[in-house]
Amino acid sequence: GESVGLHLPTLSVQEGDNSIINCAYSNSASDYFIWYKQESGKGPQFIIDIRSNMDKRQGQRVTVLLNKTVKHLSLQIAATQPGDSAVYFCAENSYSSASKIIFGSGTRLSIRP
Amino acid sequence: DGGITQSPKYLFRKEGQNVTLSCEQNLNHDAMYWYRQDPGQGLRLIYYSQIVNDFQKGDIAEGYSVSREKKESFPLTVTSAQKNPTAFYLCASSIDGYYEQYFGPGTRLTVT
Repeated sequence: GESVGLHLPTLSVQEGDNSIINCAYSNSASDYFIWYKQESGKGPQFIIDIRSNMDKRQGQRVTVLLNKTVKHLSLQIAATQPGDSAVYFCAENSYSSASKIIFGSGTRLSIRP
Repeated sequence: DGGITQSPKYLFRKEGQNVTLSCEQNLNHDAMYWYRQDPGQGLRLIYYSQIVNDFQKGDIAEGYSVSREKKESFPLTVTSAQKNPTAFYLCASSIDGYYEQYFGPGTRLTVT
């Protein structure tokens, strides 16, 4: 079936380095993509979103890149900090999906001091 | 403060008992959702509602029930028919079901 997935279940990054979390999607009808951050024991928190008519969107220390040709989404975190340690989920949606956002399985980001 | 609240944060029940988890939002969102999350796993959709007095089953609805009598409230009942109810339950809302979902803090249910 159509789904959103992640290439790496865990990612370990040196503090201060940039982090790149990847996500693949297979539904060509998806036109809205979201990244969430979930800290241990808490609910997911919205980080950034991007519409399919864009290739790149920047926020505070985060950048989302969308490559529709290969159905690939990535989240880049600049100058990774200890507070960035969390599980990151990508999600996709489309008007044709009856409002059911599809979540990926998540990537755990751990920061090495 | 606008937001979405879930109560209680921790809930303990004996096997065979029904239990209701509360979810309230004051964001004036039309769509609301319930997810289940097991340790080290992703989110699985239990039920969702796009409008008051209407709701649809998600991927794992068996053993659960919901109601949507008010726009701001979407309680989830975990029934005794749910074979493995111990999990972290997350409620979310979205302005129209298309844009990003806002999540509550979650309720950790333990059934023994």
